[in-house]
Amino acid sequence: GEDVEQSLFLSVREGDSSVINCTYTDSSSTYLYWYKQEPGAGLQLLTYIFSNMDMKQDQRLTVLLNKKDKHLSLRIADTQTGDSAIYFCAERTPLVFGKGTRLSVIA
Amino acid sequence: DVKVTQSSRYLVKRTGEKVFLECVQDMDHENMFWYRQDPGLGLRLIYFSYDVKMKEKGDIPEGYSVSREKKERFSLILESASTNQTSMYLCASKKGGLAQSYEQYFGPGTRLTVT
Repeated sequence: GEDVEQSLFLSVREGDSSVINCTYTDSSSTYLYWYKQEPGAGLQLLTYIFSNMDMKQDQRLTVLLNKKDKHLSLRIADTQTGDSAIYFCAERTPLVFGKGTRLSVIA
Repeated sequence: DVKVTQSSRYLVKRTGEKVFLECVQDMDHENMFWYRQDPGLGLRLIYFSYDVKMKEKGDIPEGYSVSREKKERFSLILESASTNQTSMYLCASKKGGLAQSYEQYFGPGTRLTVT
């Protein structure tokens, strides 16, 4: 099976919340990451969470970690059209990425 | 600001050609990585290096080699390009020990087409 799994597509209306989910396999990962890729660009680190945390909030972003189920989620509040991108969940060192979730925001 | 640059944004090569993709970082990072990105497959690690002249195979090293003669430069080499190597290639670098949590910085990518 896949090391890191994500759904491939998510579509939301502007102003709604977006939730992108990820499952991972390596319980020894110290950090788990969310990267964002805008069209035509490389990846940029959005946020990360230390494995002994359950939640991390950073402005409109909330990361939730369920270590028991190896489940990670990224919530974007008040989603804007500028949030349209591909979001990658990643674990381990060197980083292992999921296939990416393409977020489309409808105005 | 950390900058990771890649020699070309777009490259078209013929089957059988030897292809060099160059990556340079300007922040004295110890670790450098090469990934390829394909639709529906995400990013897959080809090779990485944690020091000058050191290299480690990633998940899909077949058909590729790398060179790291200087700390700031990491080259990906396709010895004999094939059509299944048509892809987006992303270089990245990271400071510090490989296991530390420092951010991995990515270049803009090179879209390689092999005809």
